[in-house]
Amino acid sequence: QVQLQQWGAGLLKPSETLSLTCAISGGSFSGYFRTWIRQPPGGGLEWIGEIKHTGDISYNPSLKSRATISVDSSEDKFSLKLTSVTVADTAVYYCARAVGGATDYWGPGTLVTVSS
Amino acid sequence: DIEMTQSPSSLSASVGDRVTITCRASQTVGSHLNWYMQQPGKPPKLLMYSASSLQTGVPSRFSGTGSGTDFTLTIDSLQPEDFATYYCQQSYTTPRTFGQGTKLEI
Repeated sequence: QVQLQQWGAGLLKPSETLSLTCAISGGSFSGYFRTWIRQPPGGGLEWIGEIKHTGDISYNPSLKSRATISVDSSEDKFSLKLTSVTVADTAVYYCARAVGGATDYWGPGTLVTVSS
Repeated sequence: DIEMTQSPSSLSASVGDRVTITCRASQTVGSHLNWYMQQPGKPPKLLMYSASSLQTGVPSRFSGTGSGTDFTLTIDSLQPEDFATYYCQQSYTTPRTFGQGTKLEI
């Protein structure tokens, strides 16, 4: 049974860097896209970016080049870094596995709060 | 970016009803349209992919149609566990944008 686990700091101050890691068990990312999506409290879903199985990386331009997605050498983990966070970055962050862009497995989500 | 617009934003229905949610894209996305259901406090769950393909394990009362810019999700014979928020998402291009959501309430 495929499961995604995710971890990282849940409370940040403005201007700090958000850092989250996601790991898969019971399956692999081979042939799939590794994806990050976020959801502000009470809000909708925003796609942050993805790394395809080919190694191609895409980001949401709305993040203005603050996001970096990388894959661990073991290939069963991947990470998100988001620099210069503001209160507007407060959200539940999900890692996910996608096939052709359709996200079939999601992590449980990590609430990241940005507050001074 | 491709803008996805869902209607209605909220919908009241009863157990046993048939409901339809629509999703419109600001430009063509072919059949690259996915539907998700999200219950409070949980991650979304994939229901349909490629507009009309039912994800493994999803009940057959869910169905999807459409191509190009206009899509629908239909739920036949609503069950209590179906009351949730539904999102469409285009996977035609990046950024892979979502609709604003449709909250289905009892």
